[in-house]
Amino acid sequence: QSVLTQPPSASGTPGQRVTISCSGGSSSIGSNTVDWYQQLPGTAPKLLIYSSHLRPSGVPDRFSGSRSGTSASLAIGGLQSEDEADYYCAAWDDSLDGVVFGGGTKLTVL
Amino acid sequence: QITLEESGPTLVKPTQTLTLTCSFSGFSLSTSGAGVGWIRQPPGKALEWLALIYWDDNKRFGPSLKSRLTITKDTSKNQVVLTMTNMDPVDTATYYCAVAFYSSWDFSYWGQGTLVTVSS
Repeated sequence: QSVLTQPPSASGTPGQRVTISCSGGSSSIGSNTVDWYQQLPGTAPKLLIYSSHLRPSGVPDRFSGSRSGTSASLAIGGLQSEDEADYYCAAWDDSLDGVVFGGGTKLTVL
Repeated sequence: QITLEESGPTLVKPTQTLTLTCSFSGFSLSTSGAGVGWIRQPPGKALEWLALIYWDDNKRFGPSLKSRLTITKDTSKNQVVLTMTNMDPVDTATYYCAVAFYSSWDFSYWGQGTLVTVSS
């Protein structure tokens, strides 16, 4: 069981906006920033959002992140078929003194 | 251009020790703020962070596996080595190494991963 909680699945149609949530605790998201990773089928994860809301170079601005209290969210606007992937949130946990991942959300583009 | 590549055995027997090497280029682990981590993913399951070593030899380990893990770096060879003792079939997974900068844990570049199967 993961320390960070994500919905196992999400879906949307092309062009829609989809939001994926990530819930943690006071020692993880409540105290530290959140990263989001995208994992396309059969590939390694890719950093999508860091420091809760920043995008690495090359990541489209359709992807945005936010953090409030002990929760975080990833929003994908203008959904495209190539966005179909698994998405993971991650945060540092002060109590565990390490990185914790969410259980992942499988995004399906209908 | 930053690249990382994992290498090691694809098959290990239960109770054996696994040794994985992460060979990288495009950055130096002697650079202030750089860190290399290991993350694994059992087939069809979620990511699990294992360990992280920084440029100053500061090390962090996932609490559930801490007693079984060792992580070292060889700056001259641009390599990081992870060892995991007492392997069990539940340790079957794809093992990734990844790099973080600015003393963070934001893994900005990843290797392609290596599948390790634990079976007798």
